[in-house]
Amino acid sequence: DQQVKQNSPSLSVQEGRISILNCDYTNSMFDYFLWYKKYPAEGPTFLISISSIKDKNEDGRFTVFLNKSAKHLSLHIVPSQPGDSAVYFCAASSVSGTSYGKLTFGQGTILTVHP
Amino acid sequence: KAGVTQTPRYLIKTRGQQVTLSCSPISGHRSVSWYQQTPGQGLQFLFEYFSETQRNKGNFPGRFSGRQFSNSRSEMNVSTLELGDSALYLCASGMDRGNSPLHFGNGTRLTVT
Repeated sequence: DQQVKQNSPSLSVQEGRISILNCDYTNSMFDYFLWYKKYPAEGPTFLISISSIKDKNEDGRFTVFLNKSAKHLSLHIVPSQPGDSAVYFCAASSVSGTSYGKLTFGQGTILTVHP
Repeated sequence: KAGVTQTPRYLIKTRGQQVTLSCSPISGHRSVSWYQQTPGQGLQFLFEYFSETQRNKGNFPGRFSGRQFSNSRSEMNVSTLELGDSALYLCASGMDRGNSPLHFGNGTRLTVT
């Protein structure tokens, strides 16, 4: 029972263009969503998050969009840079209860940005 | 501010042995969670501790256990190691309030032979 899904295992983008990474979830109790970036042999690095009361959150080149009715979120990176090449994980949690530290992760999308 | 620190970074153990991994959270963070990352299963939640109490537990056998100390530092223990326990074990800490993210350490790479 995969509650958070990232259906694209990989994505290849040219430097300067937009990267769009997608994530779907099934659990209606999720109310907080996060994106992490991960390099091999390192821990995930927090990028950006969004609460279920919002539909968009921006931080520099990163924007996360949330469509609650579709149970879908996406991460936009504009413009993409070669240093963005990494594995991106979508994660979800239910912070309104006592499950703050319990994140459910997607399987990850490998982003490659070509110079 | 120092990040989440995990020790050791690498560990090689033999089947049947036990292992203890250590995690020091970011200063001021009282919630500590543990995750296992494997190529087949991805990132899976093991357990979460808050104020020295286990608050949530994932779907792992009882061989996996943990604890948290009064200074919020945490340890996890795996007894009777199996080959399938080979994984990257990640610790994360957070402020335990809504809409504040978990921050991860660089993990302990455990290899069971």
